[in-house]
Amino acid sequence: AQSVTQLGSHVSVSEGALVLLRCNYSSSVPPYLFWYVQYPNQGLQLLLKYTTGATLVKGINGFEAEFKKSETSFHLTKPSAHMSDAAEYFCAVSPNTGFQKLVFGTGTRLLVSP
Amino acid sequence: DTGVSQDPRHKITKRGQNVTFRCDPISEHNRLYWYRQTLGQGPEFLTYFQNEAQLEKSRLLSDRFSAERPKGSFSTLEIQRTEQGDSAMYLCASSSLSRGANGYTFGSGTRLTVV
Repeated sequence: AQSVTQLGSHVSVSEGALVLLRCNYSSSVPPYLFWYVQYPNQGLQLLLKYTTGATLVKGINGFEAEFKKSETSFHLTKPSAHMSDAAEYFCAVSPNTGFQKLVFGTGTRLLVSP
Repeated sequence: DTGVSQDPRHKITKRGQNVTFRCDPISEHNRLYWYRQTLGQGPEFLTYFQNEAQLEKSRLLSDRFSAERPKGSFSTLEIQRTEQGDSAMYLCASSSLSRGANGYTFGSGTRLTVV
């Protein structure tokens, strides 16, 4: 079975500061890993995903994440926060065999102050 | 390609009423998924279809919930005798079997409020 833990329900940063959102996963098989962003009253938008290959994954809007198997982590980073980054961020995992469904974490709300 | 469409965007209903939501997936996608997201939580898997076959149902999908995809294209999710605990955002997603994780796309959701 797969599961995801997102540390910190809220993260506050200043505009221009580094963004770090933490995600640890549990999976009995090699995982696919995802980060999604959700703006208020909207659906989920894919930021980036790790399936196979390079462990440092670059996504949209300047975000990137690194798959670290030894640490079972997939933390999301962005060098410089922008006000428009304020949103809810979800980490998700799926087994890389068959890919039927995603298991999501509880989310981290990113607050960006001027 | 207009993405995954969900209708309605918002639904307010009285407790005990039945409601039905519709999802139109991306046309070439043969897999369709339903998720439920309650306030402050991540989406939780409800069920998925491959073409018209419903291949998996979560324990969250009580007897009051039924999902169909009769022709392998659009899908409906019906909730009978709604309860206040059913208030949530219902998200639909679709993907292509051949593309797996690479083509997974969510709709904007239907927000249900049971009063």
